[in-house]
Amino acid sequence: KAGVTQTPRYLIKTRGQQVTLSCSPISGHRSVSWYQQTPGQGLQFLFEYFSETQRNKGNFPGRFSGRQFSNSRSEMNVSTLELGDSALYLCASSLEAYNTGELFFGEGSRLTVL
Amino acid sequence: AQTVTQSQPEMSVQEAETVTLSCTYDTSESDYYLFWYKQPPSRQMILVIRQEAYKQQNATENRFSVNFQKAAKSFSLKISDSQLGDAAMYFCAYRRMTGTASKLTFGTGTRLQVTL
Repeated sequence: KAGVTQTPRYLIKTRGQQVTLSCSPISGHRSVSWYQQTPGQGLQFLFEYFSETQRNKGNFPGRFSGRQFSNSRSEMNVSTLELGDSALYLCASSLEAYNTGELFFGEGSRLTVL
Repeated sequence: AQTVTQSQPEMSVQEAETVTLSCTYDTSESDYYLFWYKQPPSRQMILVIRQEAYKQQNATENRFSVNFQKAAKSFSLKISDSQLGDAAMYFCAYRRMTGTASKLTFGTGTRLQVTL
């Protein structure tokens, strides 16, 4: 069974640009969560999607957005990039949030903003 | 709001020895999950062990075990017979058991070095 797949793995952008990251969950998983990982702030929750609906959102500005498609694949978008957005963005999927409580993580997308 | 604290930024253990990583948390809820995740240099976060707060018995997974002290809000991870492959960042995490969100609240992590 394929794991959580995130693309691209690495990308470099400049301030003011926007970026879209993609996450394909494990087959059959309907919940997708996104986390931002930085050396200074650690791992912070961005948002969670289930059945194409955003169920929860972390404390991030409106420049951070996401969506989920009918096949459970998810994308997150960051507009008007700032230097502080440089981070590892992790996606995690689960069968359904209420059940086992286990999230499966992808390898992440490393974003560098210059 | 829930918080998770890992007070040991770095730990070191010799191969075949035992090491304990500490974690404390703060919550007003009675039902929740606690996790230890491992993040090797390849960056993929891997679940090491999970504990449901309503279970009094400490969880064990092969060489990994936890000491869950609910009243003290403490959740430490013990790694026995340490191996070179155990070297990684270890994150303690909390998740509500009820509600509609699967949000994990992470600690700041402990970097574990394993020496020969």
